[in-house]
Amino acid sequence: AQTVTQSQPEMSVQEAETVTLSCTYDTSENNYYLFWYKQPPSRQMILVIRQEAYKQQNATENRFSVNFQKAAKSFSLKISDSQLGDTAMYFCAFMKAGGSEKLVFGKGTKLTVNP
Amino acid sequence: GAVVSQHPSRVICKSGTSVKIECRSLDFQATTMFWYRQFPKQSLMLMATSNEGSKATYEQGVEKDKFLINHASLTLSTLTVTSAHPEDSSFYICSARDGGGPQETQYFGPGTRLLVL
Repeated sequence: AQTVTQSQPEMSVQEAETVTLSCTYDTSENNYYLFWYKQPPSRQMILVIRQEAYKQQNATENRFSVNFQKAAKSFSLKISDSQLGDTAMYFCAFMKAGGSEKLVFGKGTKLTVNP
Repeated sequence: GAVVSQHPSRVICKSGTSVKIECRSLDFQATTMFWYRQFPKQSLMLMATSNEGSKATYEQGVEKDKFLINHASLTLSTLTVTSAHPEDSSFYICSARDGGGPQETQYFGPGTRLLVL
């Protein structure tokens, strides 16, 4: 079974600074997807960024980028120019490709952006 | 973008009663829907996967007779918590996969907070 580990329960960053959230995973699969989801206080799950395992190039979405290290099974999220609206829980998630489409979530990191 | 709604957003019920939660895909056909449960300050745990027109697939440890899932149409799935007890109090979230979109893309509903007294 796949597992996702987020080793940082809480983090904080000053507005406009950069922060990196860690995520590691364990799988024997070769083809899969990795995701970062944001859950603000409203509790609506919002997809931040997605990475296909077969792609070596790291995904980027505006201020959000990932450092995907397939051999190390590491998938960290970098948030640049942090904004107050980035304050939220961030969940790393794994999905096996071509399978049941189940998402396996990590325990989450609570990020607080301070003014 | 694709929108998923849930109703109700919040419900309070007495112990022993049943509660139905609806999950709707508003602008796409959801061939597959997923139901999650999230306890306070914890992660999302998948409860079951439902495919339109077939029986739901439950995760290990989830009582199928207690959490009844029906996916009768391509835009609606319902979760019924039968004979609810205080320990069933939680935040329930559904997600839906667009049958015409990428397999890996799921759209989440806003969640339903259930409180059983």
